[in-house]
Amino acid sequence: DGGITQSPKYLFRKEGQNVTLSCEQNLNHDAMYWYRQDPGQGLRLIYYSQIVNDFQKGDIAEGYSVSREKKESFPLTVTSAQKNPTAFYLCASTHRGNQPQHFGDGTRLSIL
Amino acid sequence: QKEVEQDPGPLSVPEGAIVSLNCTYSNSAFQYFMWYRQYSRKGPELLMYTYSSGNKEDGRFTAQVDKSSKYISLFIRDSQPSDSATYLCAMLYGSSNTGKLIFGQGTTLQVKP
Repeated sequence: DGGITQSPKYLFRKEGQNVTLSCEQNLNHDAMYWYRQDPGQGLRLIYYSQIVNDFQKGDIAEGYSVSREKKESFPLTVTSAQKNPTAFYLCASTHRGNQPQHFGDGTRLSIL
Repeated sequence: QKEVEQDPGPLSVPEGAIVSLNCTYSNSAFQYFMWYRQYSRKGPELLMYTYSSGNKEDGRFTAQVDKSSKYISLFIRDSQPSDSATYLCAMLYGSSNTGKLIFGQGTTLQVKP
């Protein structure tokens, strides 16, 4: 079955630690996206990539980093510079810019 | 002012009721409109995708777009307890080649048996 796989489902971060969230898709989509979801705030775009080896900042990129070395993979690193990382992180992908995005089931990140 | 406004609810209805969920937007450049359903601790699931004014029907769901009023709606007929979820509207600029979606904050719906 085609889809988007995010791992882990739950992740805990210690002070000063970087953590990496995984996102893999087997839909052969070109574009991939990372969102952050906080209660009552909807989804906010962190980073996106339309092609391998290229990515762009979204609306709230500070404290995050990404890479796009393979078409099917778009990992997100939450760095120690992100002072409020507790949130639900969602990865999405799509073929082209005007097509609807398909989402994974998210990673919930909490602070220890 | 947010680009997309959506009442967060919660909205509580009895089973079998017709549900109306709405979003308003401020920018007439939005040309593509989506509704997603999100169950607790899950990712959003695409329900409807439209790119023109008018109605689009899929089973118990009808999406309505009124570009002149900058208003979109999702109607759910014969609502079921399994419809209890958060419903997110999302929009895309017509000129977009980046696919950046603008989301409403979501409406929480509870359908009581």
